[in-house]
Amino acid sequence: KAGVTQTPRYLIKTRGQQVTLSCSPISGHRSVSWYQQTPGQGLQFLFEYFSETQRNKGNFPGRFSGRQFSNSRSEMNVSTLELGDSALYLCASSSGTAGQPQHFGDGTRLSIL
Amino acid sequence: QQQVKQSPQSLIVQKGGISIINCAYENTAFDYFPWYQQFPGKGPALLIAIRPDVSEKKEGRFTISFNKSAKQFSLHIMDSQPGDSATYFCAASRGSARQLTFGSGTQLTVLP
Repeated sequence: KAGVTQTPRYLIKTRGQQVTLSCSPISGHRSVSWYQQTPGQGLQFLFEYFSETQRNKGNFPGRFSGRQFSNSRSEMNVSTLELGDSALYLCASSSGTAGQPQHFGDGTRLSIL
Repeated sequence: QQQVKQSPQSLIVQKGGISIINCAYENTAFDYFPWYQQFPGKGPALLIAIRPDVSEKKEGRFTISFNKSAKQFSLHIMDSQPGDSATYFCAASRGSARQLTFGSGTQLTVLP
């Protein structure tokens, strides 16, 4: 079974631009969660989508948004990029049932110049 | 409080030794406690997980010990190997939420 796939792996943007990251979950998984990983703040939850609906949201500004498609693939968008948005963005998928493990992709490394 | 506190920040052990990483949580609503292993350039990989109704769970060389009254849980890696050198994260979530709250991570180095 293929794992969680995130594209692109690396991205360089400048301040003020916007960016869209993509995540393809494990086949059959309906829940997709996004996390931001930085050396200073560690791993922080952004949001979770299940059946095309945002089910949970972390404490991030509205510049961070996402969506999920009918095939469970998900995209995350960050608008008006700031230097502090430089991070590894991780996507995790699960079946969506309580207590089922989340499996992570290898992330997209976003660098803001 | 949603925080999960993890210690130590870094750990160096000899090959064949036991690595122990500790985590403490505050939110008594947490009911799922996974441990993840992360290698450079890779995403976190699930190692082992436990629920509060069990005090210990073992999978191969990895054991989670759970103390509900103290709100603490720990990962023990027996017979540590150089290939275990990685960053380890504890995490917690509650109920049906898929929102994981992570500890700050422990960088483990196993010397050959």
